[in-house]
Amino acid sequence: EAAVTQSPRNKVAVTGGKVTLSCNQTNNHNNMYWYRQDTGHGLRLIHYSYGAGSTEKGDIPDGYKASRPSQENFSLILELATPSQTSVYFCASGDGTKDTQYFGPGTRLLVL
Amino acid sequence: GDSVTQTEGLVTLTKGLPVMLNCTYQTTYSPFLFWYVQHLNEAPKLLLKSSTDNKRTEHQGFYATLHKSSSSFHLQKSSVQLSDSALYFCGVGGSNAKLTFGKGTKLSVKS
Repeated sequence: EAAVTQSPRNKVAVTGGKVTLSCNQTNNHNNMYWYRQDTGHGLRLIHYSYGAGSTEKGDIPDGYKASRPSQENFSLILELATPSQTSVYFCASGDGTKDTQYFGPGTRLLVL
Repeated sequence: GDSVTQTEGLVTLTKGLPVMLNCTYQTTYSPFLFWYVQHLNEAPKLLLKSSTDNKRTEHQGFYATLHKSSSSFHLQKSSVQLSDSALYFCGVGGSNAKLTFGKGTKLSVKS
């Protein structure tokens, strides 16, 4: 089965600090995604990528940046973390609209 | 943009009863529909997917039929089990690599 890993699994950050969430996939999928999950909002897309060097804005990109340095790695960067960014973040990989997305185990982020 | 509307909130059922979780969608493109399931403290996983109009798709006892005429892709099971307790997400894929999810429906099965 497809493998997507995330690090760290849990993170406590301070308001105004910089946070980097990392994602690695060994599926050789072209597309990678970052979502956040909040009760009552479901899964919301933050950024996604079509391949190394590309990043695209999703539905809620404000306050987040993304970086795709290679086929395998996709990072989500919070330059100035705020308490409203406290959430569970999921990374996923897939090969297109019709393809299954494979999710990582998630990162729980608490911004104090 | 694309959007998905699901049965909201919590659905509580007794083991052995049937369930239907509603999903309707809006997209300007030829739709590809998904159901994902997320058990407690786990990652979402694909349950079903379909792009074929009026064809029933089944997996692990769950089934759904895409009806383009009504923009619906409801998830059903004839007899729920305790292990079916989870969060269920409906999603629609459009013209690009994006998948738009609904807010999710929590299914709780009691003995």
